[in-house]
Amino acid sequence: GAGVSQSPSNKVTEKGKDVELRCDPISGHTALYWYRQRLGQGLEFLIYFQGNSAPDKSGLPSDRFSAERTGESVSTLTIQRTQQEDSAVYLCASSFWSYNEQFFGPGTRLTVL
Amino acid sequence: GESVGLHLPTLSVQEGDNSIINCAYSNSASDYFIWYKQESGKGPQFIIDIRSNMDKRQGQRVTVLLNKTVKHLSLQIAATQPGDSAVYFCAERHGNQGGKLIFGQGTELSVKP
Repeated sequence: GAGVSQSPSNKVTEKGKDVELRCDPISGHTALYWYRQRLGQGLEFLIYFQGNSAPDKSGLPSDRFSAERTGESVSTLTIQRTQQEDSAVYLCASSFWSYNEQFFGPGTRLTVL
Repeated sequence: GESVGLHLPTLSVQEGDNSIINCAYSNSASDYFIWYKQESGKGPQFIIDIRSNMDKRQGQRVTVLLNKTVKHLSLQIAATQPGDSAVYFCAERHGNQGGKLIFGQGTELSVKP
């Protein structure tokens, strides 16, 4: 069956531009998570959704970062006025419910020049 | 602050040998621990998990050990194969924080044929 998909797979942007990263979770999964992975490091939690609500946004690094989820399905992570330190792989995961196993997508590699 | 860390950033083993990857965690409130495998260019893949009321759990060729006294977690891989070469992450979850995972730094396992 289809897993978690993310688009684009790679994104190169110039400093100061806005970017949108998309996540399509596994159908029927009510929980959705965004993580960031810098080169050679572990994953950092950003935000998670249960349905269309975000009970925990504690990992968002600054107000330049925002995310939304609609229809209990697709989610978009938006980074405004990108900075070079935003360069990383952004990973999305989904699970049937909040405390179930998380399945990860392949990630979007963001490079800010 | 709270953290999950690994003792060894790289591990090189001979094919057929057993591998042991270690992880330390600092938050005694964590009640669930997971090991993930991440191959280059892919998202993390679930390997095995363990709850805090257990000391040991076995899967196919893998065993996870949890020592709550010293806040230590290990992953043992039996008869390591070239396909096991990847980066391995431990992650912890707190029971009252939804599905949010806190990841360790990662250990790169290299299997020599």
